[in-house]
Amino acid sequence: KQEVTQIPAALSVPEGENLVLNCSFTDSAIYNLQWFRQDPGKGLTSLLLIQSSQREQTSGRLNASLDKSSGRSTLYIAASQPGDSATYLCAVATKADSWGKLQFGAGTQVVVTP
Amino acid sequence: EAQVTQNPRYLITVTGKKLTVTCSQNMNHEYMSWYRQDPGLGLRQIYYSMNVEVTDKGDVPEGYKVSRKEKRNFPLILESPSPNQTSLYFCASSLFTGTGTPNTEAFFGQGTRLTVV
Repeated sequence: KQEVTQIPAALSVPEGENLVLNCSFTDSAIYNLQWFRQDPGKGLTSLLLIQSSQREQTSGRLNASLDKSSGRSTLYIAASQPGDSATYLCAVATKADSWGKLQFGAGTQVVVTP
Repeated sequence: EAQVTQNPRYLITVTGKKLTVTCSQNMNHEYMSWYRQDPGLGLRQIYYSMNVEVTDKGDVPEGYKVSRKEKRNFPLILESPSPNQTSLYFCASSLFTGTGTPNTEAFFGQGTRLTVV
């Protein structure tokens, strides 16, 4: 059974520093991995979807890498801003699971201080 | 604007009183699903639907029902809610590209915070 782990559980950085968020998974037979942002009262917002054949995906200040063989993904957020404060979740679509099912990590809560 | 809409956003109810949480999407997606989020347990899938009249259980279906009579709507029904169903619920949708193909980007609603007393 796929297990997804996110470390650290919480992170606090001063504004301007780069953020590095980690996600690991136990079953490397995946279709893709998706990073989400969760804000209180605003649901989950999709940030990046990285396919199993890709090594990285970029969107603005966000960059996600994927090393499928080692079961790891990293989300980099450059030059953090207070507006980046949120909980970040990674979710994996595993080939052994039913289509569309996502297995989530518990998330990393990020606070960016001005 | 492409979106998944859940209602209500907040709900407090009493044990045993039937309730329905609605979910609607405007992206013409075939695939829809429900998750619940609990501290320390993350998000877990309750039910999913591949298309109209096609639904199946996820990891934690006990105590829940769903129906898919229209493509855009996927309501979650709690016929006799209990305190252990107190949770944050999310509906999601995505474009279905076929079994055996990679799933597509999932879009989530804003969540429904349910408290059962």
